[in-house]
Amino acid sequence: AQSVAQPEDQVNVAEGNPLTVKCTYSVSGNPYLFWYVQYPNRGLQFLLKYITGDNLVKGSYGFEAEFNKSQTSFHLKKPSALVSDSALYFCAVPPNTGNQFYFGTGTSLTVIP
Amino acid sequence: ETGVTQTPRHLVMGMTNKKSLKCEQHLGHNAMYWYKQSAKKPLELMFVYNFKEQTENNSVPSRFSPECPNSSHLFLHLHTLQPEDSALYLCASSQGDGVDTQYFGPGTRLTVL
Repeated sequence: AQSVAQPEDQVNVAEGNPLTVKCTYSVSGNPYLFWYVQYPNRGLQFLLKYITGDNLVKGSYGFEAEFNKSQTSFHLKKPSALVSDSALYFCAVPPNTGNQFYFGTGTSLTVIP
Repeated sequence: ETGVTQTPRHLVMGMTNKKSLKCEQHLGHNAMYWYKQSAKKPLELMFVYNFKEQTENNSVPSRFSPECPNSSHLFLHLHTLQPEDSALYLCASSQGDGVDTQYFGPGTRLTVL
């Protein structure tokens, strides 16, 4: 069965510092992994995805994620956090069959000025 | 904007009312989804339509009734709801099903009194 886990409900980081939002996965078959961001009172917005190939995936707004097969992780990173990055972040994994995307419980990121 | 619009953005209704949520996608996608997002809970997939045919119904109560007249429009008809149905209802679309990236609308914030 496909699943993802986000071990941190809340992450705080100072503006200008690097940020990491963690995600681990459990999948059967080849892993396809996604990150979404949700700003207040908005829907989820696609950030990036890993399908195959380079383990470092670059996405929107300067975010990137590193696929690590040995640690079954897909952590989201950004070298220098902005206050406007404060939002709710979800990692997700699609199904082997059907349409049931499996979303993590979300991590609330707060960037402190 | 993601190319997926939802109306209304906010809705307050009594338990005996009948209302409908509307979703429209301008991306030429073939699959559309309804999700429920409640505080402190994972995103819940409710319904999936692929080429106008319902392909998934995740044990959703019959007081929620979806309708997909074509690949660009999706409705969620509501009647005799309960206060616990108060949540953010998100619509999404994707090119196909499975691993294709889902694009979300801004959501309808529903409050049931």
